[in-house]
Amino acid sequence: QSALTQPASVSGSPGQSITISCTGTSSDVGGYNYVSWYQQHPGKAPKLMIYDVSNRPSGVSNRFSGSKSGNTASLTISGLQAEDEADYYCSSYTSSSTAVFGGGTQLTVL
Amino acid sequence: EVQLVESGGGLVQPGRSLRLSCAASGFTFDDYAMHWVRQAPGKGLEWVSGISWNSGSIGYADSVKGRFTISRDNAKNSLYLQMNSLRAEDTALYYCAKDGGYQPLLGDAFDIWGQGTMVTVSS
Repeated sequence: QSALTQPASVSGSPGQSITISCTGTSSDVGGYNYVSWYQQHPGKAPKLMIYDVSNRPSGVSNRFSGSKSGNTASLTISGLQAEDEADYYCSSYTSSSTAVFGGGTQLTVL
Repeated sequence: EVQLVESGGGLVQPGRSLRLSCAASGFTFDDYAMHWVRQAPGKGLEWVSGISWNSGSIGYADSVKGRFTISRDNAKNSLYLQMNSLRAEDTALYYCAKDGGYQPLLGDAFDIWGQGTMVTVSS
């Protein structure tokens, strides 16, 4: 159950697009289309942004999108806004019938 | 309003036990799997354990297997985590999280989160 690999930090200017990667193995990310993404602001609980690789829950902005290729999933945020500055975590279902999170990525809006 | 409220955290000595509770409201509790996720101070999220709607399927992270036990009481809309043989590395904010129910398996996605209860393991 090793954590999924995410970049420690990414940054972008308002209006730009950024992509956060999440790399696992064939036993988790690569083996299932069950990758989810979470946004966490300081001192707050995480919020589900994407589920099953590319689906957005009701109420989540369409500026957030997800994709997957092989063992790597990606979260793309377009039209970056100041309120998007937060930590982002990916998660995947695993072959052990458990879940595993990524280490988290801190997004800075310049 | 859909809500999860955790309780039971606190300061405990290494080797001792603690039981966390999560009270659910605003949704049909026994329709969904539930999970515990923790976050050590300044660190990332770690999935701890999950339980299916009828307790028929249960999973644990390797880091807690054999020490923690998850359970639920659907009549009381409540989720529990019995934590034994606590270690310093178990110090974290423990979140209760509702399974999104998008897939018939544990750990697909977590769509509702509580505010967490802090567990500190220290002598």
